[in-house]
Amino acid sequence: AQKITQTQPGMFVQEKEAVTLDCTYDTSDPSYGLFWYKQPSSGEMIFLIYQGSYDQQNATEGRYSLNFQKARKSANLVISASQLGDSAMYFCAMRGYGTASKLTFGTGTRLQVTL
Amino acid sequence: EAGVVQSPRYKIIEKKQPVAFWCNPISGHNTLYWYRQNLGQGPELLIRYENEEAVDDSQLPKDRFSAERLKGVDSTLKIQPAELGDSAVYLCASSDLAASYNEQFFGPGTRLTVL
Repeated sequence: AQKITQTQPGMFVQEKEAVTLDCTYDTSDPSYGLFWYKQPSSGEMIFLIYQGSYDQQNATEGRYSLNFQKARKSANLVISASQLGDSAMYFCAMRGYGTASKLTFGTGTRLQVTL
Repeated sequence: EAGVVQSPRYKIIEKKQPVAFWCNPISGHNTLYWYRQNLGQGPELLIRYENEEAVDDSQLPKDRFSAERLKGVDSTLKIQPAELGDSAVYLCASSDLAASYNEQFFGPGTRLTVL
């Protein structure tokens, strides 16, 4: 069984500043993948970034980077140079062994970007 | 390329009534997922299809929920009869097993309210 924990129900960040959204996970699978999704008020889940458990380097996608610390079982999302459009719910998710396995999601963090 | 299409976007029904949701995945995606997202929570998998076959329906309440994916493309999720606790957003997602991350692409969801 997999479990994702997001301990920050809400976060505020000023425009142009960086913000870190926390995610810890628990699994017994030897191989797994970690995902971050953004869910704006429209409801659609938007894929942001992926980290494989055997990847040697932290994943980066534009302004998004994933701070992966395998020994601590954490996969924090870092958003640099925040923009007003970044205001949304952010979900950390895990996929266990098997590329077509289900995603297990955390409870999410609501990010609010302020002027 | 069109994304995952879901309809209706919103549905309000009285308890004990039937309801159906429709999903058209991204063209060429062989895997289709139905998730339920309760208020303030992350999505939880109800059922996963690979082509026409339901390969994971362990979380589907089979006494009242049913799903089908005819010809391995569109899918329909049905609830009969609906209960108050079924109020949630129902998300459909699809993925391509051959893609590097096999990330799941989500539709906008159907928000169900049971009165």
